[in-house]
Amino acid sequence: DSGVTQTPKHLITATGQRVTLRCSPRSGDLSVYWYQQSLDQGLQFLIQYYNGEERAKGNILERFSAQQFPDLHSELNLSSLELGDSALYFCASSPPGQGWHEQYFGPGTRLTVT
Amino acid sequence: GENVEQHPSTLSVQEGDSAVIKCTYSDSASNYFPWYKQELGKRPQLIIDIRSNVGEKKDQRIAVTLNKTAKHFSLHITETQPEDSAVYFCAASIAGGSEKLVFGKGTKLTVNP
Repeated sequence: DSGVTQTPKHLITATGQRVTLRCSPRSGDLSVYWYQQSLDQGLQFLIQYYNGEERAKGNILERFSAQQFPDLHSELNLSSLELGDSALYFCASSPPGQGWHEQYFGPGTRLTVT
Repeated sequence: GENVEQHPSTLSVQEGDSAVIKCTYSDSASNYFPWYKQELGKRPQLIIDIRSNVGEKKDQRIAVTLNKTAKHFSLHITETQPEDSAVYFCAASIAGGSEKLVFGKGTKLTVNP
C-alpha cells in the first residue's frame, strides 16, 4: 500500500457524460500527478499540482480539468466523454523538497465509457 | 517533443537468466531516470532510479546504467525469478522547471520457471 488513495475503483459511464475522479496523496506529500494509462499508450502524464497550484501540464485534453484543494486532495474532471477516454487513471504523489523524488502511485480508477 | 523509446516491448527469459531493457531519451537536459514495475492489475512501483551525475546504480539483483552522451539508460535484472514477471516502464525527467516525467511504453517481462 503506497498511502495514496483513489476513488472510485471502477467507473462505467456513457459517452457524453461527465465524471470526477478523486485522489488523496500520502500524508506530508504536496505534489499530486495525474496519469492516463491505456493499452497502447503506456503511462501518459496529464497534469501536476503542488500545494494547490498547477505546476506542470502534459497531454491533457481541454475536456479534462483538475484541481487540488486546501486539504491537498485532488480531483480530475473528465467531461463530454468519448469511447477513447476509457483507460486506467492513476494519481501519484511525491514529497516536498528540492530535486527529484519517488512518485508513489495510487491503485487507479478504471474508467469504461460505453 | 520529449520522447522516451523503450525496447524490447516483450521479453521472455528462463528463470535464472539475466534480462536487459533499454531506453533512449530525446531531452539532453533530462537528469532523473526512474524505473517502475507494474504487476497485472496493480499500481506502478518504483524499483530503482538514477540521477545524471551517476553512471551506474545497483540494488541487489537490479542495476541501472546511464550513458548521457548517447542518451540511453538500461535496466539489468540478474538471476531472474518468476516473481519478476511484470511490465517495466522507464521514464526520463523533462527540464525547464517542470516536474514532469515522460514514460516509455513498457516492456512485458515473462520469466519462465
